[in-house]
Amino acid sequence: GENVEQHPSTLSVQEGDSAVIKCTYSDSASNYFPWYKQELGKGPQLIIDIRSNVGEKKDQRIAVTLNKTAKHFSLHITETQPEDSAVYFCAATSYGEDQFYFGTGTSLTVIP
Amino acid sequence: EPEVTQTPSHQVTQMGQEVILRCVPISNHLYFYWYRQILGQKVEFLVSFYNNEISEKSEIFDDQFSVERPDGSNFTLKIRSTKLEDSAMYFCASGGTGYNSPLHFGNGTRLTVT
Repeated sequence: GENVEQHPSTLSVQEGDSAVIKCTYSDSASNYFPWYKQELGKGPQLIIDIRSNVGEKKDQRIAVTLNKTAKHFSLHITETQPEDSAVYFCAATSYGEDQFYFGTGTSLTVIP
Repeated sequence: EPEVTQTPSHQVTQMGQEVILRCVPISNHLYFYWYRQILGQKVEFLVSFYNNEISEKSEIFDDQFSVERPDGSNFTLKIRSTKLEDSAMYFCASGGTGYNSPLHFGNGTRLTVT
């Protein structure tokens, strides 16, 4: 099955700086890559996703890039704010597969 | 905005007891899932459910686990005889109308087995 690796496991940035979280996947059939934000005591919330037919997607301060050749995708958060502090998970799945494979999570701390 | 709701938020049970975790998925979604997260670890897939039957399950989902959608709105996960290692956060999720629809998660049930 698919194996998703995520780095770094923890990340601290100053407010206003950018944060980048990277994931790699093993199955070239994977074609859908969502990113989730999990705040303390809550379930993961979808923040952005990308499909394999595009290389980049942006939504305000959040962007995701996908390199299918290298099998990696990244989350970019610009102008970070304290409320961005949370655990972020990447995931991957392929058409016809029910299961989403999650990375191990990145704990992001934005220091005011 | 529609959301997935889970009850209870916290369940404490003794080893060997049966527990039922409940979920109300988003009403027009067709795909339903249970995931679990052991403290500090990644979110792990347990089972997916579509068209009133299990469509996929992981190795974790052994004979002690079962799922049911009894009345068209609730979606339940039953653990027949809990073990200490079943202690985790259990998340219900639902997805829309096709493969690779985004998953929407509930806030989870924290299961503590003593």
